[in-house]
Amino acid sequence: SQTIHQWPATLVQPVGSPLSLECTVEGTSNPNLYWYRQAAGRGLQLLFYSVGIGQISSEVPQNLSASRPQDRQFILSSKKLLLSDSGFYLCAWDRQGSYGYTFGSGTRLTVV
Amino acid sequence: SQQGEEDPQALSIQEGENATMNCSYKTSINNLQWYRQNSGRGLVHLILIRSNEREKHSGRLRVTLDTSKKSSSLLITASRAADTASYFCATDPNTPLVFGKGTRLSVIA
Repeated sequence: SQTIHQWPATLVQPVGSPLSLECTVEGTSNPNLYWYRQAAGRGLQLLFYSVGIGQISSEVPQNLSASRPQDRQFILSSKKLLLSDSGFYLCAWDRQGSYGYTFGSGTRLTVV
Repeated sequence: SQQGEEDPQALSIQEGENATMNCSYKTSINNLQWYRQNSGRGLVHLILIRSNEREKHSGRLRVTLDTSKKSSSLLITASRAADTASYFCATDPNTPLVFGKGTRLSVIA
């Protein structure tokens, strides 16, 4: 069966520090991968998506970046965090013909 | 990009009552999906309705779609305390999905 792993679950980082969030999918190949951010009490904002290794599309210009070094691995990074980067980060995947997205359990990032 | 908008923003009902949430969107879609999010967790896919469908059922869930009005509704019948969560609609004009801000449902036992 397919599973999605996202870590860490919670993270407290100082302003200006780097960030690396990892997401991996098991049990499937060639997934579409997505990073969303959810501010407190708000909807989901699409940050990046990828349809294949090394293929990254950015929806919102900001100090975050994403990479897909392997087929089932999606990494969200920042060189210097801002206070406004705080939020709940969600990774998701789907495939052509699949029945909706499968989400990870999320990472709660607090920048202090 | 277009965004689904859920209404109401918050809904509080007694256990056993029905809960209805609405979603409106702006442009043509391929399908519309509903998701549930328990507090502090990831979203869980509930149901997908295609643009050529008008109604779909799954257990206690009933979804309707009116493409002429660009709107959808999610009905949860005989609600339970465990249904307490935020519910999001997501539209698929082309991938990726665009989510609304959600309806926060509280079911009081």
